[in-house]
Amino acid sequence: KAGVTQTPRYLIKTRGQQVTLSCSPISGHRSVSWYQQTPGQGLQFLFEYFSETQRNKGNFPGRFSGRQFSNSRSEMNVSTLELGDSALYLCASSSPGTGGAGIDTQYFGPGTRLTVL
Amino acid sequence: AQTVTQSQPEMSVQEAETVTLSCTYDTSESNYYLFWYKQPPSRQMILVIRQEAYKQQNATENRFSVNFQKAAKSFSLKISDSQLGDTAMYFCAFMNRDDKIIFGKGTRLHILP
Repeated sequence: KAGVTQTPRYLIKTRGQQVTLSCSPISGHRSVSWYQQTPGQGLQFLFEYFSETQRNKGNFPGRFSGRQFSNSRSEMNVSTLELGDSALYLCASSSPGTGGAGIDTQYFGPGTRLTVL
Repeated sequence: AQTVTQSQPEMSVQEAETVTLSCTYDTSESNYYLFWYKQPPSRQMILVIRQEAYKQQNATENRFSVNFQKAAKSFSLKISDSQLGDTAMYFCAFMNRDDKIIFGKGTRLHILP
């Protein structure tokens, strides 16, 4: 099976702009989670979508939003970009029952590196 | 190529015991970051502890501590006085200066009552 794919891999934007990142999960996986990764903060959970519904949300401002389509592909949008939004954005997909004990194994994509100037 | 290896797919320990999760990595770089993440049944990944490679002192966060052996490229996580809430999948991760992050495959830890 093909792994989780994310596009684009690299992105450069300026403050105030808006950006949309895309994530295609592993075939058959219905859950997609988004994370922001920085050296200082580590991996921070943004939100999770399952069957087109946001099931879980982290502690990020409303400028960060997402959605999931019927084919499980997901997009993440960041509006009014700030310098602090520069980070690696990771997407992970999972399928219920793949981890046992109620823990779904997550498979991570390579990430999108966003640089805000 | 950089790799992260967690050799223990699954572990079980009794509550209150101490458990150590193993992680080794391979890199030719000298500056990098290492992380341990916890993924409980809620699925949300939580940062447990982080270590900068240039720091010789092992990181500690309450009951969690690491044994960082840079020369051996080893980064193990020790959980003291384990609690039922520690039951989760634990991921070791490596991040280089270019922000490329690599995760290990995880260790499923069960804390038994």
